[in-house]
Amino acid sequence: QSALTQPPSASGSPGQSVTISCTGTSSDVGAYNYVSWYQQHPDKAPKLMIYEVSKRPSGVPDRFSGSKSGNTASLTVSGLQAEDEADYYCSSYAGSNSLVFGGGTKVTVL
Amino acid sequence: QVTLKESGPALVKPTQTLTLTCTFSGFSLSTSGMRVSWIRQPPGKALEWLARIDWDDDKFYSTSLKTRLTISKDTSKNQVVLTMTNMDPVDTATYYCARTGTTVDYWGQGTLVTVSS
Repeated sequence: QSALTQPPSASGSPGQSVTISCTGTSSDVGAYNYVSWYQQHPDKAPKLMIYEVSKRPSGVPDRFSGSKSGNTASLTVSGLQAEDEADYYCSSYAGSNSLVFGGGTKVTVL
Repeated sequence: QVTLKESGPALVKPTQTLTLTCTFSGFSLSTSGMRVSWIRQPPGKALEWLARIDWDDDKFYSTSLKTRLTISKDTSKNQVVLTMTNMDPVDTATYYCARTGTTVDYWGQGTLVTVSS
């Protein structure tokens, strides 16, 4: 159950887009369409933004979108806003009823 | 409305056993398909999945921590309990309980546990 690999940081100006990658293996990200993305503001609990690769929970703006190709999943935030500045974590089902998270990416809105 | 809240000691000594309770509402762990996980996050670090208990009392643990963890539920009280033995300073973290399906959709606010003598 090795952690998924995310870039430590990403940034963009207001209105621009930023894409975060989440690289796993053929045993987790590549094997299942159970990749999720969470947004976490400082000292707050994570909030679900994307589930099952590309589905958005009710209330999550459509500026957030997810995709997957092979062993790598991606989260794209379009039309960046100041409130999007946060840490983002991916997770994937990893088989045998286990869950693995990524190392997190800090998104900065310039 | 689904809510979860963690409770337990803020400070434990090395080698002690930690017991955390998750009290939830808005769903029942006796309903088919319902699951609750424990997840932790050391200060400034990433999330780590620890354990999960299912509606049918199936239990699953992180491979690296399974010898130290026990998860249980009290359906009548809407509670899930996690115990972690032989606590060490590296176990200092915010511990979250969360409703789990194909994703972790609802999270508790978390409880910070510090391990120090």
